[in-house]
Amino acid sequence: SQTIHQWPATLVQPVGSPLSLECTVEGTSNPNLYWYRQAAGRGLQLLFYSVGIGQISSEVPQNLSASRPQDRQFILSSKKLLLSDSGFYLCAWQPPLSSGNTIYFGEGSWLTVV
Amino acid sequence: AQKVTQAQTEISVVEKEDVTLDCVYETRDTTYYLFWYKQPPSGELVFLIRRNSFDEQNEISGRYSWNFQKSTSSFNFTITASQVVDSAVYFCALSRTDSWGKLQFGAGTQVVVTP
Repeated sequence: SQTIHQWPATLVQPVGSPLSLECTVEGTSNPNLYWYRQAAGRGLQLLFYSVGIGQISSEVPQNLSASRPQDRQFILSSKKLLLSDSGFYLCAWQPPLSSGNTIYFGEGSWLTVV
Repeated sequence: AQKVTQAQTEISVVEKEDVTLDCVYETRDTTYYLFWYKQPPSGELVFLIRRNSFDEQNEISGRYSWNFQKSTSSFNFTITASQVVDSAVYFCALSRTDSWGKLQFGAGTQVVVTP
């Protein structure tokens, strides 16, 4: 069966420091991968998605970037964090060539920028 | 543009009561998908259901049921005989059929079930 993991689960970072959140999917090949963010008390917002290695699409302008160095690895990064980057970050995957658009989420990473 | 509205911010019920979560959506697409996800206190979003816009049959899964009404652009979710484990934030979401996994989420409804 397929599983998705992301880490770290929680982190507290000072303003201006770098960020790296990692997500990996197991049990599938060539998944579509997504990064969503959930700000406190709000719904989820799609940040990035990827349909293949090295293919990244950004949905909103922001201080963050994403990379997909391997088929089942998706990384969210920032060179210098802002206070507004605080939130709950969720990685999600979707089977390749799937119909129905259902996506499955990882455990999430809580980021607090101080 | 697509929009999902979950007007209820929080609903509190006593165990065994029924609870209905409202979801109203806006889209110009003729075909689309609707979803419900559950977010327990642990944070992970759990997929509950996906509905195609051309399938207006209501669905029941155990204590969960969904009422899709295209005429009123609503996709409501009912938990029957609620239990403490149902305490969570529930999200309704909408996507275009050609938009891969790009879901437009509502703001969520916090359900609190007390013993």
